[in-house]
Amino acid sequence: DAKTTQPPSMDCAEGRAANLPCNHSTISGNEYVYWYRQIHSQGPQYIIHGLKNNETNEMASLIITEDRKSSTLILPHATLRDTAVYYCIVRVSNFGNEKLTFGTGTRLTIIP
Amino acid sequence: EAEVAQSPRYKITEKSQAVAFWCDPISGHATLYWYRQILGQGPELLVQFQDESVVDDSQLPKDRFSAERLKGVDSTLKIQPAELGDSAMYLCASSLQSGAGWAWNEQFFGPGTRLTVL
Repeated sequence: DAKTTQPPSMDCAEGRAANLPCNHSTISGNEYVYWYRQIHSQGPQYIIHGLKNNETNEMASLIITEDRKSSTLILPHATLRDTAVYYCIVRVSNFGNEKLTFGTGTRLTIIP
Repeated sequence: EAEVAQSPRYKITEKSQAVAFWCDPISGHATLYWYRQILGQGPELLVQFQDESVVDDSQLPKDRFSAERLKGVDSTLKIQPAELGDSAMYLCASSLQSGAGWAWNEQFFGPGTRLTVL
C-alpha cells in the first residue's frame, strides 16, 4: 500500500470549511484513497473514499488531483464535534484483504 | 444503530499477568479485526478473521498474544504474560464481508479497551 503524508496538526474556525491535505505521490492506479477520523477516546470512523473522481457524502467532500498524487478532505462547515485526528489511507481494495494501514494522521482542532 | 461492543473499556494489570479482551461485532458481519493503537500513533492490525478462520495474523506477537473467534461471531484477544510495552488501546472492528465478488465494505470500530500495564 502506498504511503501517505499529512500535516501533524491544523486549526480551523468553527463554521468555516476545513481543508485537510494528503500527499500520496507513490499511489498506484488501482489504489483508493480513504479517510477515517478518530474522535478522542473513540474508535476510528469511516468518512469517505474515492479512486479518481471527486466524491461527496453527507459528512465531507473528497477532492483528488488529476495525477492522483494528492487529495484534500473538505469539511464544509466545521463544528466543534469535528475536532479529531483525521487519517488518510491509500490501499488496494482487492476484496481479499481489507486491512487498514493507518499513519499518524492530522490532528484537527476546531476553534470556537 | 448497530455497534461493535467491547469489554472491558479499561483494564489495569501488572506485568506478567494475563489479560483478555472481548469483542462482539455487528450482527451478520463476517469479518472481524483486532487493532492495537499505541498513544500518539495510528491503529495497527494485529489479527483479522473471516468467520472463524484467521486470514492475517502476521503482526500478532504469537509468543504472548492469542485470538480466537470460535463460532464466527464474538472474539477474544488474550495476552499472557502482559509486558509494559503492551500498554495501548485495543480496538475491534467488523465489516460485512471480505472476499472475492463482494464490494468494499466499511469497517465499523468499537470504542476500544484501554490497557495499562504496571
